[in-house]
Amino acid sequence: DTGVSQDPRHKITKRGQNVTFRCDPISEHNRLYWYRQTLGQGPEFLTYFQNEAQLEKSRLLSDRFSAERPKGSFSTLEIQRTEQGDSAMYLCASSLGGQDWADTQYFGPGTRLTVL
Amino acid sequence: GQNIDQPTEMTATEGAIVQINCTYQTSGFNGLFWYQQHAGEAPTFLSYNVLDGLEEKGRFSSFLSRSKGYSYLLLKELQMKDSASYLCAVVSGNTPLVFGKGTRLSVIA
Repeated sequence: DTGVSQDPRHKITKRGQNVTFRCDPISEHNRLYWYRQTLGQGPEFLTYFQNEAQLEKSRLLSDRFSAERPKGSFSTLEIQRTEQGDSAMYLCASSLGGQDWADTQYFGPGTRLTVL
Repeated sequence: GQNIDQPTEMTATEGAIVQINCTYQTSGFNGLFWYQQHAGEAPTFLSYNVLDGLEEKGRFSSFLSRSKGYSYLLLKELQMKDSASYLCAVVSGNTPLVFGKGTRLSVIA
């Protein structure tokens, strides 16, 4: 257990529905990241936050995806009008966020999304 | 663009040594991470290299050659519990980690 928690762990939804996932980072960590991972692939970066500011978004993050970190603590990732291609494991990670490039990211257990 | 290559699968025998290679081509380089990921679980941090050379941590060692864009993870005295995927990831500029596809290692008796 790295100290990063995600909820729910599994989500099954029908195509076209909206889903929201939550991530609680390690408490003293300033940075929070979202990744998506499909079977046989490495995690793909989606977006990240420094405190409450969203600093970067991947082009993978279509308009249907939105992420927030309103108080610089927990974060939510919402997917609107889900599509079958959204089925994946959604991983959250956090890090201290210092200037040191050895800013190790610690991952949560992930939310597995299945879109029927 | 950014490209990270690792072998897809490897098999090794319990008690043996295995070397998992990673080559990368990225715009900028600020370090390379190795993560271990058991099936259905989150990646867990193994090592970080930013300078050329070998970093040793118990049964696991990681090597980096920046001029060659090359790293390897060395696992000694393999145990069955080492069966997992091993992910190579690069930090370049301000970009968060760019991961390779991972190498699935199977340890057999």
